[in-house]
Amino acid sequence: ELKVEQNPLFLSMQEGKNYTIYCNYSTTSDRLYWYRQDPGKSLESLFVLLSNGAVKQEGRLMASLDTKARLSTLHITAAVHDLSATYFCAVIRSGNTGKLIFGQGTTLQVKP
Amino acid sequence: NAGVTQTPKFRVLKTGQSMTLLCAQDMNHEYMYWYRQDPGMGLRLIHYSVGEGTTAKGEVPDGYNVSRLKKQNFLLGLESAAPSQTSVYFCASSYSKGGRFDGEQYFGPGTRLTVT
Repeated sequence: ELKVEQNPLFLSMQEGKNYTIYCNYSTTSDRLYWYRQDPGKSLESLFVLLSNGAVKQEGRLMASLDTKARLSTLHITAAVHDLSATYFCAVIRSGNTGKLIFGQGTTLQVKP
Repeated sequence: NAGVTQTPKFRVLKTGQSMTLLCAQDMNHEYMYWYRQDPGMGLRLIHYSVGEGTTAKGEVPDGYNVSRLKKQNFLLGLESAAPSQTSVYFCASSYSKGGRFDGEQYFGPGTRLTVT
């Protein structure tokens, strides 16, 4: 059974600091996604990681994938208040139907 | 393009009542999905469809039924609502390429359902 675990589940940090969110998954998967969700809103796609060693960056966020370790990281550089949100990782179940298995989510609170 | 839309946005039901949630997409996507989101549990797949007229069960299908009579619409039904079905429901859709899932899922705005 494919399981996805994120940690930490809650993160409170000061503006300007760096931190990393971890996403572990239990079996092999074709691809990994990172989403952002603001309170009361839908999910916004941040990154799609397709292969081992993939690294993608957008602004202060950088995501990487290590398929051998079954681990993805979302690194936040010099956090700003606007990054406050809940971040989800999700992996594709085997097969061709695109069924996503989500982690529990990490709620990030950036304090001024 | 409106993308993925969901109707209604909010609903309160009493235990035992029934209702249907409508998801519509205008992107000509083959695949459509229904998820529920509960605090601390991420999103869990209820049912999905890989094409018009086809549906399949996801992780948590009990108490729900679905239909995909038209390619652009995916309906989620609750026949006899229970308090455990209080949740936020998200619909999503995605492309296929050569009969396989391709790319990523596009999510609707969500429906907040409360069952009392």
